[in-house]
Amino acid sequence: EPEVTQTPSHQVTQMGQEVILRCVPISNHLYFYWYRQILGQKVEFLVSFYNNEISEKSEIFDDQFSVERPDGSNFTLKIRSTKLEDSAMYFCASSQDTGELFFGEGSRLTVL
Amino acid sequence: AQSVTQLDSQVPVFEEAPVELRCNYSSSVSVYLFWYVQYPNQGLQLLLKYLSGSTLVKGINGFEAEFNKSQTSFHLRKPSVHISDTAEYFCAVSDGGSGTYKYIFGTGTRLKVLA
Repeated sequence: EPEVTQTPSHQVTQMGQEVILRCVPISNHLYFYWYRQILGQKVEFLVSFYNNEISEKSEIFDDQFSVERPDGSNFTLKIRSTKLEDSAMYFCASSQDTGELFFGEGSRLTVL
Repeated sequence: AQSVTQLDSQVPVFEEAPVELRCNYSSSVSVYLFWYVQYPNQGLQLLLKYLSGSTLVKGINGFEAEFNKSQTSFHLRKPSVHISDTAEYFCAVSDGGSGTYKYIFGTGTRLKVLA
């Protein structure tokens, strides 16, 4: 069964460093998403991406964040200068035009 | 704008007892509704979904949910819980229009099954 894969599963970084989280969506999906879950809290929408551009973003997704689909298969989330409060689980998801998202297993980011 | 309310932050229940986890939503358009389970330090696992059709939806692990449009609810039920059902449960809503299908998640309900 096709699935969304995310790497790394866990990354530890120093405050101020750049981090790139990678995702390989399901191959025939057209819509891509990033969500964030701070430990013990709910899952929050960050950004959606369609047709090679951001279609919607939340207020969390500020100038420190960016997304890219560099090669037609990967979908990346970059955090330019990490802060302590960026520590969270980041989930990638993808979908067709059917209203159902398929989530990856998540990448846990720890900022020290 | 869409929103999801999970009224119970924690639900303790004894093993083999029934459980209902409540979810209410608000949306101005037709919706798709989902329940996810999250075990400690793990990802989101889809339990069940309502996209259209029958309002009673059956999912994995013996869970079911009923879509009630008039009460804007999508409560999750299981007739007899096991210790292994101890986890965090999230309700989510997505609008049914074209374009990106952003999910809005509830704050979660922590189900604790007691021996």
